[in-house]
Amino acid sequence: SQQGEEDPQALSIQEGENATMNCSYKTSINNLQWYRQNSGRGLVHLILIRSNEREKHSGRLRVTLDTSKKSSSLLITASRAADTASYFCATPIIQGAQKLVFGQGTRLTINP
Amino acid sequence: GAGVSQSPRYKVAKRGQDVALRCDPISGHVSLFWYQQALGQGPEFLTYFQNEAQLDKSGLPSDRFFAERPEGSVSTLKIQRTQQEDSAVYLCASSLIRTTPNQPQHFGDGTRLSIL
Repeated sequence: SQQGEEDPQALSIQEGENATMNCSYKTSINNLQWYRQNSGRGLVHLILIRSNEREKHSGRLRVTLDTSKKSSSLLITASRAADTASYFCATPIIQGAQKLVFGQGTRLTINP
Repeated sequence: GAGVSQSPRYKVAKRGQDVALRCDPISGHVSLFWYQQALGQGPEFLTYFQNEAQLDKSGLPSDRFFAERPEGSVSTLKIQRTQQEDSAVYLCASSLIRTTPNQPQHFGDGTRLSIL
C-alpha cells in the first residue's frame, strides 16, 4: 500500500516555466523526501525536509511542508528539458527500519 | 564505484524458473533495502537488512521471495518459481546509518525483470 499521493499525475510545461507538484500523506512523519527518477534509471534523492521545517531550498528546488494538512509541495523554477522525469515524494516509517513509503509519482515533461 | 550497483540490468525468464538479482551497496552502508516497482507506480518496500541481519521482510509478497546478505555487504534477492505478476523493476537502496531518521537512501538503477 502507498501512503502518499502526488498531484498531478502528469504535468507538461514549456521550458523556462515553473513546475509545481503536490504530495499528501497519511501518518505522522519525522521527515519527507523527494526523489527524481529518469526513465529506466533508479531514484535520485533531491531534498529532505524535516517535520519541524516549513520550507527548504536547494538550487532551483523549493519544498514546503504543512504537517497540519499532511501535505508537501515541490517547486522547480526555470525548468529545463533535463528536468523531464518522474518525481516521487516519500515518507519513512518512523519505527524500525525507516523504510520509505512512496506515492505514485508525478510524470513531468518539459517541452523545449 | 561510488554508487549502488545492481545486476543484471535486465532479466527475462520463463514462468516457473528461478531468478537471482544482485545488489552491491555503497561501501560502508549499514542499511540495505529492496523495493519492487510496477510500471507507472512508485516503489514498494520488500525487505530490509541491517548489516547481515534481515530485520524486516514484511513486504515480500510470498514465500517464493527470499533475500540474503550473508556478509553484510552484497545482497541477493531470489525469486523461485517465477510468475507473470513478478514482472517489475527491482530496486536496491542503501543508507549509511541504521534506523536514524533524516537519512536519504541511495538507489541503484534496478533490475527490470520480465516473466514470459
